[in-house]
Amino acid sequence: LAKTTQPISMDSYEGQEVNITCSHNNIATNDYITWYQQFPSQGPRFIIQGYKTKVTNEVASLFIPADRKSSTLSLPRVSLSDTAVYYCLVGDTASMNTGFQKLVFGTGTRLLVSP
Amino acid sequence: DTAVSQTPKYLVTQMGNDKSIKCEQNLGHDTMYWYKQDSKKFLKIMFSYNNKELIINETVPNRFSPKSPDKAHLNLHINSLELGDSAVYFCASSPRLAGDTGELFFGEGSRLTVL
Repeated sequence: LAKTTQPISMDSYEGQEVNITCSHNNIATNDYITWYQQFPSQGPRFIIQGYKTKVTNEVASLFIPADRKSSTLSLPRVSLSDTAVYYCLVGDTASMNTGFQKLVFGTGTRLLVSP
Repeated sequence: DTAVSQTPKYLVTQMGNDKSIKCEQNLGHDTMYWYKQDSKKFLKIMFSYNNKELIINETVPNRFSPKSPDKAHLNLHINSLELGDSAVYFCASSPRLAGDTGELFFGEGSRLTVL
């Protein structure tokens, strides 16, 4: 399993762009990079997934350099409601045998957005 | 309209008791999961079912027995509860075994406290 390393916490203010970087030096060729968001007393919620380069959706962007040993989740113009824990996971989610069943969510990055 | 619903949301019980947590998804997904989130916030897969068949059992003690009466339901029964079983248990589902997007849909969690 590829291990991921993220900052434990980050602080930001409303309206700012937040970039959370995740290191995954042992990422395998077939591994995808997936980010989840978790609010207190709720289950994690999928944000975005990518394999290489850049992926963007209505919520965030995911930047993956060519060596794929790290990835950066970018949240544009955060609001107070973006205060949550953000998890970076890597795994072979396209695998028919194991899928992402063996993915382990680490401790994530606690993002605190202040007014 | 809740996609993945779990009951009960809170459960407080004594050591040695037997308890069950129920999960239902109305998304038409084939695959369902149980995750455990401990006090350190690590979220770890326990079981995975695909079309009522157990496909993943991540070295969970025999005291934990999942049951899937149909593909929309995955219940978790725990015998002889121990203090270390205290955690938040999340049910999740995905469209199929692997999932093209790596997206898991989580319930809101069931907080189990063993006294």
